[in-house]
Amino acid sequence: GNSVTQMEGPVTLSEEAFLTINCTYTATGYPSLFWYVQYPGEGLQLLLKATKADDKGSNKGFEATYRKETTSFHLEKGSVQVSDSAVYFCALSGPYSGAGSYQLTFGKGTKLSVIP
Amino acid sequence: DTGVSQDPRHKITKRGQNVTFRCDPISEHNRLYWYRQTLGQGPEFLTYFQNEAQLEKSRLLSDRFSAERPKGSFSTLEIQRTEQGDSAMYLCASSPTWARAENTEAFFGQGTRLTVV
Repeated sequence: GNSVTQMEGPVTLSEEAFLTINCTYTATGYPSLFWYVQYPGEGLQLLLKATKADDKGSNKGFEATYRKETTSFHLEKGSVQVSDSAVYFCALSGPYSGAGSYQLTFGKGTKLSVIP
Repeated sequence: DTGVSQDPRHKITKRGQNVTFRCDPISEHNRLYWYRQTLGQGPEFLTYFQNEAQLEKSRLLSDRFSAERPKGSFSTLEIQRTEQGDSAMYLCASSPTWARAENTEAFFGQGTRLTVV
């Protein structure tokens, strides 16, 4: 079945440090890939997505590239801020059941803390 | 529209009691999903509605769980005879049907945190 494996946390970085959160996946077919973020006290919200191989998703300085050959979708940011402190979830769409549902399969999440 | 709304935000119940949660999706979103998230884990899919039809249920959804979306708008998730293992965050998400589903962002509510004591 589908699965997502992401880097164990927590991750603690100093402000302006470089961030990488690794994510690899196992899936049938060609899923779309997503990074969701959960800020303290808030719901999950989409950070970025990529829908086919070699696509790069980007938002708020974060980037991730859909690498089919390595089945990876690593999240990167060149210079993190305190406001980036949150839990980050890698996810893929599927499996597709034929009933119209493209439920998301999530990784376990990586908690990021950025200190001034 | 303020997004996906869930009620209540927190629920503490005694083992064996029944509980019901409500989700109001973004209006015009025909797809509605329920997920469960336990501590230290990512959300896990429970069930899916397209309009009022419940089209898919996960193996996680035991017979003590039932979900409805009677008019294709809001949805309810009921857990009967709650057990301590039901303690989790229950998340609702919605997405529109006008786009290709596999590419479509799911909009999540803030969740209902259930504690069974």
